[in-house]
Amino acid sequence: DTGVSQDPRHKITKRGQNVTFRCDPISEHNRLYWYRQTLGQGPEFLTYFQNEAQLEKSRLLSDRFSAERPKGSFSTLEIQRTEQGDSAMYLCASSSHYTGVNTEAFFGQGTRLTVV
Amino acid sequence: KNQVEQSPQSLIILEGKNCTLQCNYTVSPFSNLRWYKQDTGRGPVSLTIMTFSENTKSNGRYTATLDADTKQSSLHITASQLSDSASYICVVSARYGGSQGNLIFGKGTKLSVKP
Repeated sequence: DTGVSQDPRHKITKRGQNVTFRCDPISEHNRLYWYRQTLGQGPEFLTYFQNEAQLEKSRLLSDRFSAERPKGSFSTLEIQRTEQGDSAMYLCASSSHYTGVNTEAFFGQGTRLTVV
Repeated sequence: KNQVEQSPQSLIILEGKNCTLQCNYTVSPFSNLRWYKQDTGRGPVSLTIMTFSENTKSNGRYTATLDADTKQSSLHITASQLSDSASYICVVSARYGGSQGNLIFGKGTKLSVKP
């Protein structure tokens, strides 16, 4: 296991199209996070899972966004009817969480989305 | 409200010089604090992780300090190199009860090292 991997690395799509990103976390990690990052800004929280349960969704996650982690392993983030404002880097991270302790979170390289 | 604030927002230094980045937090109850380095267009990479009982931790030319009483952390970079040009993000983990999966991000400090 070489770390968190995200696919694709880059995606260019036309406005109005749907896109789906995939994240494969470190295998023993039970938590998986999605963040969005625009140029020059820090990562903004979107949602996170503990195993297969989606425990929290940010208000940034409009109804056009949906995330799943069906078997508690990989996760997908889908954006429907993309808008130009969705253009950003989408980062995935994973960590282990137990009895109130979060171990170190590892990040993937991100998926850069450009909506034209 | 759990918050992490970093300063300065951006910093330009000459190659070979030292610099110190600051991180203040109001996250409670505190679990740990991490510094990440993020190169442009890439995901953040961990530099250090510090728990409540640790005051100082080094990773090569990077030295992080933590004062849990004042809820402040610093990242000191010694003898800077051009490859240190990146954004440095402070992330504080709440022990429980927090939002965002208990990981609270600062907005980062953008460091530019010039020759």
